[in-house]
Amino acid sequence: QKEVEQNSGPLSVPEGAIASLNCTYSDRGSQSFFWYRQYSGKSPELIMFIYSNGDKEDGRFTAQLNKASQYVSLLIRDSQPSDSATYLCALLFYNQGGKLIFGQGTELSVKP
Amino acid sequence: NAGVMQNPRHLVRRRGQEARLRCSPMKGHSHVYWYRQLPEEGLKFMVYLQKENIIDESGMPKERFSAEFPKEGPSILRIQQVVRGDSAAYFCASSPKAGQPSYEQYFGPGTRLTVT
Repeated sequence: QKEVEQNSGPLSVPEGAIASLNCTYSDRGSQSFFWYRQYSGKSPELIMFIYSNGDKEDGRFTAQLNKASQYVSLLIRDSQPSDSATYLCALLFYNQGGKLIFGQGTELSVKP
Repeated sequence: NAGVMQNPRHLVRRRGQEARLRCSPMKGHSHVYWYRQLPEEGLKFMVYLQKENIIDESGMPKERFSAEFPKEGPSILRIQQVVRGDSAAYFCASSPKAGQPSYEQYFGPGTRLTVT
């Protein structure tokens, strides 16, 4: 099993809808989770991170972490066509230095 | 506050040549990470450095690749005798510290290496 797994998509949602992006991981303790957005041909752009169970909100974005189910998700409310990109889930074993382990990414398409 | 800077943004090398990729971290950041993204693949960790020290090179290919972060100047990722399979986007990221759950890594624009 890969350490971080994401559905590659593409995930297609209509403009204004909620987009839900999911990520599962192998639990080896002392982990935090980062969501990045990557437009085609560009570098990853940090959206937010989470390391405690529950929800964390930042504007239109909500990250959710469920350690019992080894599951982390990103919700995007009021999706816009400009949100169309690949979303990368990354795992950090923060007591083992700073190596980020990325999932394959989920491609999101928001249709006007 | 300038972000992470990388140069060159595009680099073309013939097989057998050397490639040197440079990365200047964000101001106040002393931790540098290099990642590689092969076409149609995910981002893979290569190496983590602090000033004058390699902390984790578990993702570096055993041959032809090396990295440094000198006391003065940018971090350098060096690829000797490049082959076509080295063609990829190479990203550098930096963070202010490491070892805590909340220390975010910010990525530079990347260097796109093409080996002909």
